[in-house]
Amino acid sequence: KNQVEQSPQSLIILEGKNCTLQCNYTVSPFSNLRWYKQDTGRGPVSLTIMTFSENTKSNGRYTATLDADTKQSSLHITASQLSDSASYICVVSRSGTYKYIFGTGTRLKVLA
Amino acid sequence: DGGITQSPKYLFRKEGQNVTLSCEQNLNHDAMYWYRQDPGQGLRLIYYSQIVNDFQKGDIAEGYSVSREKKESFPLTVTSAQKNPTAFYLCASRDDGFSEKLFFGSGTQLSVL
Repeated sequence: KNQVEQSPQSLIILEGKNCTLQCNYTVSPFSNLRWYKQDTGRGPVSLTIMTFSENTKSNGRYTATLDADTKQSSLHITASQLSDSASYICVVSRSGTYKYIFGTGTRLKVLA
Repeated sequence: DGGITQSPKYLFRKEGQNVTLSCEQNLNHDAMYWYRQDPGQGLRLIYYSQIVNDFQKGDIAEGYSVSREKKESFPLTVTSAQKNPTAFYLCASRDDGFSEKLFFGSGTQLSVL
């Protein structure tokens, strides 16, 4: 079954600290993996995309990794800011289809 | 601004009533999607359309209907047959290029009176 699982479900950190979010998937055939940020009551916004051949990709304070062998991805946030408080969703697309498999998200709260 | 516009932001449905959620995009994308988001669950696909005048059911299409008469527009109707319509509804369009990136609207929160 094609699934995407994320952990932790929720996370609270202090401003300025780092954190890492995890995503495990069993989607096949794999096309790419995206991390989205969703603010409360808003639509998700893409942060990064990882293809099969990529191991690491950065976007400012966000760094995503992908291990295609173990089917795991992580999103590392450096020097967190209050504006990082949001849900982070891992999304995997299947090759040859127009469908996407969504994780349930990690809800991050950054405290001052 | 280029993007996807959903309206209204909030919508209330009475018992037995059909309601329509609007989704308009000016990104010139062929493919458009409707997702339902419930607390603690991943986004679930309701309908998707790869091209004008064509659409396919997603995983939870029962109680919903769509049309795709124009490339820019993909409205979703929540019918009275949908017994549990309270949810956050998201419309998206897909970049036709290699990235296959999804662009989302700001969502519509539907509640039952």
